[in-house]
Amino acid sequence: AQSVTQPDIHITVSEGASLELRCNYSYGATPYLFWYVQSPGQGLQLLLKYFSGDTLVQGIKGFEAEFKRSQSSFNLRKPSVHWSDAAEYFCAVGADGTASKLTFGTGTRLQVTL
Amino acid sequence: GAVVSQHPSRVICKSGTSVKIECRSLDFQATTMFWYRQFPKQSLMLMATSNEGSKATYEQGVEKDKFLINHASLTLSTLTVTSAHPEDSSFYICSAIRYSGGGTQYFGPGTRLLVL
Repeated sequence: AQSVTQPDIHITVSEGASLELRCNYSYGATPYLFWYVQSPGQGLQLLLKYFSGDTLVQGIKGFEAEFKRSQSSFNLRKPSVHWSDAAEYFCAVGADGTASKLTFGTGTRLQVTL
Repeated sequence: GAVVSQHPSRVICKSGTSVKIECRSLDFQATTMFWYRQFPKQSLMLMATSNEGSKATYEQGVEKDKFLINHASLTLSTLTVTSAHPEDSSFYICSAIRYSGGGTQYFGPGTRLLVL
């Protein structure tokens, strides 16, 4: 069975600082990996996804993530965080490219201090 | 981008009553929708896959008679929590797959259910 672990429940960074959110997965085949952001009152928004090819993927809002098969990781990064990035971030693994039947991690809440 | 709406956004009901939550894809047709449940500070747990024109597929441990799903049209799926109890209080989120352009799952804003 597939699983996703996000070790950090809560992270606080200063505006302008760099950010890295960790995600480790367990999946028997080639994983389809996703990062979503959830803001209050908003639906989960897809930041980026990895299916194959270049292991460094670029997403929206200046986010990027790197797939490392040897470490079973798909960490999310942003070089300079903005106050508007404060939200809950979820890593997910799917069985196929349409992102159906996703398995989510428990989420990381990002707080940004000014 | 694609939008998925849910109604109501928040509902409070008495124990023993039934509650219906609607999920609509506003600008695309969705043959497949999903229903998730999210507990406080926990992940989203997939409850069921809603397929237009056919029966929903429930995940292990989810009571299909408790959580009735109807996908009557290509833009609407409903989740009815029957005979609700306080332990059913949760945040329910739906999503829909837009297959054009490669396939992406779009999520609704969620419905907060509180059963008293």
